[in-house]
Amino acid sequence: QITLKESGPTLVKPTQTLTLTCTFSGFSLSTSGVGVGWIRQPPGKALEWLTLIYWDENKRYSPSLKSRLTITTDTSRNQVVLSMTNMDPVDTATYYCAHSLTADSRVGNWFDSWGQGTLVTVSS
Amino acid sequence: QSALTQPASVSGSPGQSITISCTGTSSDVGSYSYVSWYQQHPGKAPKLMVFDVSHRPSGISNRFSGSKSGNTASLTISGLQAEDEADYFCSSYTSNSNVIFGGGTKLTVL
Repeated sequence: QITLKESGPTLVKPTQTLTLTCTFSGFSLSTSGVGVGWIRQPPGKALEWLTLIYWDENKRYSPSLKSRLTITTDTSRNQVVLSMTNMDPVDTATYYCAHSLTADSRVGNWFDSWGQGTLVTVSS
Repeated sequence: QSALTQPASVSGSPGQSITISCTGTSSDVGSYSYVSWYQQHPGKAPKLMVFDVSHRPSGISNRFSGSKSGNTASLTISGLQAEDEADYFCSSYTSNSNVIFGGGTKLTVL
């Protein structure tokens, strides 16, 4: 059974850096075809894809946020970490991590298991 | 890259069929068979219902089906049930190796 859980601060101040950790079980990021992504959703709004990392260390980022995002993995601890710099109130959202499967990490695009999400509020 | 375009809302009665459209461009929906659909109930995480245009993950009812024509993808739900009432989001791979989502459609079961 695949499970994922997001953890990190619920409140950050403008200009600060947000660091979120996704701790997962039921799969390994060393396995061919496997990836983890981050998706966010402002309250009452649509989903927005942020970033993806795959077993072969291929990383992809949303072009509009690329300069602010970093995704890293700790395979031994079954964790994926998202960092987002220069946080702004418009970044207030529920942040989800999710499991992805693909035969080609260049085109992986869907998420079949999701964490419960964590609401991050940006406010001074 | 702009979000995919979905109707804000659709509705149907129990037992009926409804279709939700998802319109993109030749840089995303029109060029790849990489469209997926997610169902989201209030306060819950999204759930994958269809991937690669028309494939259903294990455990998803065959009442949910996906298709694509040109730059527009569609999700059809047949035999509507009360528990189908939720928000639905489409997504697509893009020519820039990104993933984009639609604005979401609220399905109301009358």
